[in-house]
Order: sequence, then structure tokens, then C-alpha cells
Amino acid sequence: NAGVTQTPKFQVLKTGQSMTLQCAQDMNHNSMYWYRQDPGMGLRLIYYSASEGTTDKGEVPNGYNVSRLNKREFSLRLESAAPSQTSVYFCASQNRGLADTQYFGPGTRLTVL
Amino acid sequence: AQSVAQPEDQVNVAEGNPLTVKCTYSVSGNPYLFWYVQYPNRGLQFLLKYITGDNLVKGSYGFEAEFNKSQTSFHLKKPSALVSDSALYFCAVRPDTGTASKLTFGTGTRLQVTL
Repeated sequence: NAGVTQTPKFQVLKTGQSMTLQCAQDMNHNSMYWYRQDPGMGLRLIYYSASEGTTDKGEVPNGYNVSRLNKREFSLRLESAAPSQTSVYFCASQNRGLADTQYFGPGTRLTVL
Repeated sequence: AQSVAQPEDQVNVAEGNPLTVKCTYSVSGNPYLFWYVQYPNRGLQFLLKYITGDNLVKGSYGFEAEFNKSQTSFHLKKPSALVSDSALYFCAVRPDTGTASKLTFGTGTRLQVTL
């Protein structure tokens, strides 16, 4: 039982390049989330998927797209990376209930030059 | 809209002393409240949560948190700090009604425990 896994762990991109961050969970959770973490700003929600087949914008969706590939996998795509997207990205998952706990992956550290 | 405030960027405490990390929240209706810890270069780990019932919630690693509805606070506490408790701590909230399952986080408090 690996929990929430993310790949890659580290990535360096040049401005304008594209990439996809992968996330998978093996806890049979319905909901999945993408956050970014920046110093002094806590975690900010980029996109989330409340259930398989649905996705919704969070607080900071501009410049990102997501795909809920199946119940296990939720990917985040940067179509044209910008230096402002330099951040640490975390994926999380939880069951459907509002009281349920979110569980986080280990993160992807992305640098855009 | 829901929000969380963690008024201290950093808390310093000597090992063996009690520690408190403060959190206040704003939410429509009743809150579900969570504390997470983040060690360097790691993801967030769940510590404890308040859903309903007893205002004192016990969690992992000897941590506990006290829910105070009148002060809209959910402070994290530990009776005796360890150097290994040094980490970044996040408080989070969501309302207990509605369909949205988004969790709102505070900006984090860095706990530094020294010998």
C-alpha cells in the first residue's frame, strides 16, 4: 500500500516547455487534488476532481490543465511553463465525505528557468 | 468563503517545554478542522482532526488540539516538545455542509525545538 505517489520528484524546465506531473493513489479514494506550495503562502489549490469523470478549478488554475484518467490517476499539465510556476506541487486524495482526511504525496519540485 | 490564520510564522521552544501552535478559522456553518505536519523535503502528514464531540482531540506523536467555538480557534499543543518535532505545521478547515470538498490551509508555522 504505497498511498499517494507522484512522478517525477524533481524537474527543471525552460520557459515555454510543457510537461505533465503524474499522481496515483491506491486507497480507492474518490476525490483527488493538486496543490502548489510557495514560501509564505501555504498550500493553494490548483484543480480538484471530486469523483472520477469530474474536474473543477481551484484557487489558482491559470496555466494548468488536469486529467482524471481513472479513479486512481490524476495528472497535472503545464502547457507552456513560466517562471511563476516554479513551485513544489503536491497531489492529495481522500474519500467522498467532508470529514474525511486528505492524504498527500511526496511532492514534485519544479523549477522553470 | 472559508479562511485560516496562523498568526506566528515561527515558534521557538526548548526541548521538554510545552508547545502551542495557534490557528484561528472562519467558515460558514460548523467546521471540520485538521492539523498537518511537513518535515523537510517531504509531503504533508496528517496529525489530527476535529469533526464533532469532545473539544480536545488527540492525535499522532503526542500532539493534541483544542477546539474553541466561541474563539474560532483550534490550537495545536504538546505537553513536552522534542527536537524531532521541529517541522512546518499547517492548520486547515472546511465547512461541514455543502458539496465542495475543498480544504483551505493556513500559511504554516515553523516550529523550532532546541536543546
